[in-house]
Amino acid sequence: AQTVTQSQPEMSVQEAETVTLSCTYDTSESDYYLFWYKQPPSRQMILVIRQEAYKQQNATENRFSVNFQKAAKSFSLKISDSQLGDAAMYFCAYHVGGATNKLIFGTGTLLAVQP
Amino acid sequence: KAGVTQTPRYLIKTRGQQVTLSCSPISGHRSVSWYQQTPGQGLQFLFEYFSETQRNKGNFPGRFSGRQFSNSRSEMNVSTLELGDSALYLCASRTTSGTYEQYFGPGTRLTVT
Repeated sequence: AQTVTQSQPEMSVQEAETVTLSCTYDTSESDYYLFWYKQPPSRQMILVIRQEAYKQQNATENRFSVNFQKAAKSFSLKISDSQLGDAAMYFCAYHVGGATNKLIFGTGTLLAVQP
Repeated sequence: KAGVTQTPRYLIKTRGQQVTLSCSPISGHRSVSWYQQTPGQGLQFLFEYFSETQRNKGNFPGRFSGRQFSNSRSEMNVSTLELGDSALYLCASRTTSGTYEQYFGPGTRLTVT
């Protein structure tokens, strides 16, 4: 069974600095999708970034980028130039393939941004 | 496009009662998934509907059920509520082509007393 592990329950970063959130997963599949979602205190889950396993190039979305290491089954999120609005719970998620639309989530990392 | 909407946003029920939550997906999205979020268990997949058919179900008791209508709107029902059913219930929708991105609604906060 696929699992997703986020080993950092909480992280803190100074405004304008860079922070990296870790995520590892376990799967026997070769083709899959990985996601990072952000859940601010308002609770609306927002998609941050997506990575297709068949792509070697790391995904980037503005200040957000990933370090995808397929062999190591690692999928970390780097936030550059952190802003106060980045404070939220961040979830790493693995998409179970095939016809289903099931996401398996990690336990989340609560990111605090210090002014 | 309007995002995923969920109603009601907050709900308080008593043990033993039943509850129905509603989810309207983004226009054009035919797949709707439901998740339960609790502090202890985190985010857990409940079920997914596509074209009015349940495609997958998570490891939840039969008290949890759902359905999807021809306009892709979905409802989930929990019967004989237990205290442990208190949670944030999230609905997510996605298109049937592309990259499996799911877009979440704001959730329904259910409190069982």
